[in-house]
Amino acid sequence: GAGVSQSPRYKVAKRGQDVALRCDPISGHVSLFWYQQALGQGPEFLTYFQNEAQLDKSGLPSDRFFAERPEGSVSTLKIQRTQQEDSAVYLCASSLVWSTQETQYFGPGTRLLVL
Amino acid sequence: GNSVTQMEGPVTLSEEAFLTINCTYTATGYPSLFWYVQYPGEGLQLLLKATKADDKGSNKGFEATYRKETTSFHLEKGSVQVSDSAVYFCALSDVRVQGAQKLVFGQGTRLTINP
Repeated sequence: GAGVSQSPRYKVAKRGQDVALRCDPISGHVSLFWYQQALGQGPEFLTYFQNEAQLDKSGLPSDRFFAERPEGSVSTLKIQRTQQEDSAVYLCASSLVWSTQETQYFGPGTRLLVL
Repeated sequence: GNSVTQMEGPVTLSEEAFLTINCTYTATGYPSLFWYVQYPGEGLQLLLKATKADDKGSNKGFEATYRKETTSFHLEKGSVQVSDSAVYFCALSDVRVQGAQKLVFGQGTRLTINP
């Protein structure tokens, strides 16, 4: 079946622009996660949804970052007034249920470059 | 807080060599442990996992045992192939709100296998 998809795959933005990154999770997956991966580093947690409810946004680095999942499926991560330090790969992952044992399935990521 | 420390890379081996990538963790409670792999140009994929102490995860010839007494989850393979060249990430689950499976990753270890 289809895996997690993300779009766009690459995004170049000028400093100060707003960007929106889309994630389509695996159909039927309840949990959805966003991670940020800086070059040469492991992914770092940003935020988590269970269906449409955003239950944890403790990893969002500033109030310029906003995520939503209004119908409990597709999610959008929005970054307002982008800064150079926002340049990273943004990963989306989904899992069938909410459990510490459950496997998360990752999308290919969106590589954001802020100039 | 919870954290994962991985063996620093890069690691370069010859084909058919024995592989060990060390991973140790700090966690409260009883996390699940994971190894994810990122092949060139691809997204993160689950390689194996273990959900309780003394469990052994295995896949594609790779193995790792959840050692609570040494807080370790070292990745091993008896005979590596060129196709195993990738970046390997150790991760643990961190229970947050309502059992959410936020993953905490190590920094990654780049493995290159020469023919």
